[in-house]
Amino acid sequence: KAGVTQTPRYLIKTRGQQVTLSCSPISGHRSVSWYQQTPGQGLQFLFEYFSETQRNKGNFPGRFSGRQFSNSRSEMNVSTLELGDSALYLCASSVEGAGNTIYFGEGSWLTVV
Amino acid sequence: GEDVEQSLFLSVREGDSSVINCTYTDSSSTYLYWYKQEPGAGLQLLTYIFSNMDMKQDQRLTVLLNKKDKHLSLRIADTQTGDSAIYFCAERRDDKIIFGKGTRLHILP
Repeated sequence: KAGVTQTPRYLIKTRGQQVTLSCSPISGHRSVSWYQQTPGQGLQFLFEYFSETQRNKGNFPGRFSGRQFSNSRSEMNVSTLELGDSALYLCASSVEGAGNTIYFGEGSWLTVV
Repeated sequence: GEDVEQSLFLSVREGDSSVINCTYTDSSSTYLYWYKQEPGAGLQLLTYIFSNMDMKQDQRLTVLLNKKDKHLSLRIADTQTGDSAIYFCAERRDDKIIFGKGTRLHILP
């Protein structure tokens, strides 16, 4: 069974641009969660989607958004990028919800210059 | 407190046991997890324990849970160079999984 797949793995953007990251969950998993990982803040929960609906949200500004498609694939978008958005963005999937065991992808490394 | 707490660094000699400690926040947390992150990679689930258990063993890994003190530990027996990584403790709270900042395990020759 394939694991969680995230694309792109690496990208560089300039301040003010927007970015879209993609995540394909493990087959059969309907929940997708997103995390931001930075050296200073560690792993911070962004949001969770289940059956195309956002079910949980962390404490991030409205520039961070996401969606989930009917095939459970998910995208997250960050608009008006700031330097502080440079981070590893991790997607995780689980069978039922973010509270159950979650399995991570390799992440998307975003650098904002 | 609000945070899952872990010490940031641990150095252990190859062949010795490593013990990584964690203090979590919610005594009603039902699942507690240990994840491993190697350089440049995502997080790999190592093991998890239900809150009604005190101990769980899986090959070289032993997880101990003290619910009274909200303390979780991960023991790695016979530590190898391949165990060098960051280890994250996490708890299930309010239908989210909350992570500690991770403990970087360094293996000494």
